[in-house]
Amino acid sequence: DQQVKQNSPSLSVQEGRISILNCDYTNSMFDYFLWYKKYPAEGPTFLISISSIKDKNEDGRFTVFLNKSAKHLSLHIVPSQPGDSAVYFCAASIQGAQKLVFGQGTRLTINP
Amino acid sequence: GAVVSQHPSWVICKSGTSVKIECRSLDFQATTMFWYRQFPKQSLMLMATSNEGSKATYEQGVEKDKFLINHASLTLSTLTVTSAHPEDSSFYICSARDGTRANYGYTFGSGTRLTVV
Repeated sequence: DQQVKQNSPSLSVQEGRISILNCDYTNSMFDYFLWYKKYPAEGPTFLISISSIKDKNEDGRFTVFLNKSAKHLSLHIVPSQPGDSAVYFCAASIQGAQKLVFGQGTRLTINP
Repeated sequence: GAVVSQHPSWVICKSGTSVKIECRSLDFQATTMFWYRQFPKQSLMLMATSNEGSKATYEQGVEKDKFLINHASLTLSTLTVTSAHPEDSSFYICSARDGTRANYGYTFGSGTRLTVV
């Protein structure tokens, strides 16, 4: 049972344009969401997070949007840069439960 | 701050042998560490939650006798893959939680590529 789903395995975007990565979840108990970036043969690095009490969180070029009614969140990267090419994972958690549930990941490729 | 060191970064072992992977929090105390496994082009699957000084909590379907976890100190957790078989070949990643940090404080190690031949 995949509670966190990233339905797009890959995404290709032109440098300078906006990258939009999507994530859906099924467990309505999730109340904290995170995005991680991962390069091959490395561990994930934290990008940005959002609590369920918010619908938007922004940090520089990265913005995460949360639509609780649709159980959907998205990560916007603008402008996209070649260094953004990586696999992006969304993750969800329930406060107090500690553990994270990850989506399958989306491979983002930024083309020059 | 909040650095997690995982060692080794890669290991090749013969079928039937055991392999130990270490995960250390370098600049914080981690009462809780997590072990994940990632197959190619798939998600990170949580294997177990490791609590300092107590037994690990394993996720459903993970064999606790095969994947031995020890969290003897606040800065070190180890995962031992016992009697390894080729199907155990995977990328193993640890994560440590610094409860003093925001954003849930999860920091990941760089991962260990295990190949069993």
